Amino acid sequence: AQSVAQPEDQVNVAEGNPLTVKCTYSVSGNPYLFWYVQYPNRGLQFLLKYITGDNLVKGSYGFEAEFNKSQTSFHLKKPSALVSDSALYFCAVRDVRTGKSTFGDGTTLTVKP
Amino acid sequence: KAGVTQTPRYLIKTRGQQVTLSCSPISGHRSVSWYQQTPGQGLQFLFEYFSETQRNKGNFPGRFSGRQFSNSRSEMNVSTLELGDSALYLCASSLSPQGVSGETQYFGPGTRLLVL
Repeated sequence: AQSVAQPEDQVNVAEGNPLTVKCTYSVSGNPYLFWYVQYPNRGLQFLLKYITGDNLVKGSYGFEAEFNKSQTSFHLKKPSALVSDSALYFCAVRDVRTGKSTFGDGTTLTVKP
Repeated sequence: KAGVTQTPRYLIKTRGQQVTLSCSPISGHRSVSWYQQTPGQGLQFLFEYFSETQRNKGNFPGRFSGRQFSNSRSEMNVSTLELGDSALYLCASSLSPQGVSGETQYFGPGTRLLVL
């Protein structure tokens, strides 16, 4: 069975500092990997995805993520955090055979001025 | 293009009642998936519909059902509501079925259901 782990419930960073939100996954075969962000009382907003190709994926709002097959990780990064980046972040893996998506439990990112 | 819309946004029901939630996908999108989000269980996949056919189903009891219409709009029904059904129900749409390619799912704002 596929699974996603976001080992940190909460990540705190100062504005202007780099941020990393961690994600590891387990899936049979090749994965599709996604990052979404959720603001209070809103649905999930797509940030970026890895399907194939370059391991470094660039997405919306200056976010990027690196696919590491050997470590089965897909960490989300941003060089310089903004207070407005404070939100709940979800990593998701999709099994390419079944099409089913599994989401991590989410990581709350707080960026302090 | 308008995004995914869900109605109603908020709903209060009592135990034993049934509820129907509606989702209108982005124009041109034919795949609609439903998710339940709760603080304890996180985001859990309910089912996916494509071209009026259910393609995938998560591990939920038969009280949870859905359907899709020819215009790709989808409804989700929960019968005999239980307190534990209180959640944010999210709908997501994409152009093609989830397993076919790396299609991005676009989420609606959700319907918050409270069961008393």
